[in-house]
Amino acid sequence: GQSLEQPSEVTAVEGAIVQINCTYQTSGFYGLSWYQQHDGGAPTFLSYNALDGLEETGRFSSFLSRSDSYGYLLLQELQMKDSASYFCAVRDHKGFQKLVFGTGTRLLVSP
Amino acid sequence: ETGVTQTPRHLVMGMTNKKSLKCEQHLGHNAMYWYKQSAKKPLELMFVYNFKEQTENNSVPSRFSPECPNSSHLFLHLHTLQPEDSALYLCASSQDAGATVTGELFFGEGSRLTVL
Repeated sequence: GQSLEQPSEVTAVEGAIVQINCTYQTSGFYGLSWYQQHDGGAPTFLSYNALDGLEETGRFSSFLSRSDSYGYLLLQELQMKDSASYFCAVRDHKGFQKLVFGTGTRLLVSP
Repeated sequence: ETGVTQTPRHLVMGMTNKKSLKCEQHLGHNAMYWYKQSAKKPLELMFVYNFKEQTENNSVPSRFSPECPNSSHLFLHLHTLQPEDSALYLCASSQDAGATVTGELFFGEGSRLTVL
């Protein structure tokens, strides 16, 4: 079967750094995406890694190790507005965006 | 505003009702998706349409019937649902062009369905 494992909840304080891990087991692998979803809102795309290494986009970075079937999302200089759920997702189809999602990690940022 | 609009935002229906969810994307994308989001569970892919053709049906019960009249519109027709079908139904779109596929889906805010 296909599975993506993430911690269910992470807590941190404003200004801190937090890392959300994702390990995956899927039938195919063409890339790992990360999405953010605020309560009542739409999931929004944060980053995508197709190759090993670190991708940086502002305060957010994402890392992938294909040999370890592992990736993480790193959030720096945390702000209250970063409180949300974060999902990793594997693209398991070559031709289009068929994504398999993890169960999500709820991040709570406190003052 | 993601460029993907879903209506209605909330829907309550009985098990014998027939209703439809609507999704419209204003992004010029050629692929559209239905996902189901239930509490404590991963987003589940239900259907994929690429250039109006259904390319994926993820073993979804026949009480869910998708329709894609054109690349901008996607419907999910609901009939004889069960209480366990209560969930948030998310529509998404993407631009697929082979080597430029980026793992990015554009989601609507979803339709919250409650089946009594």
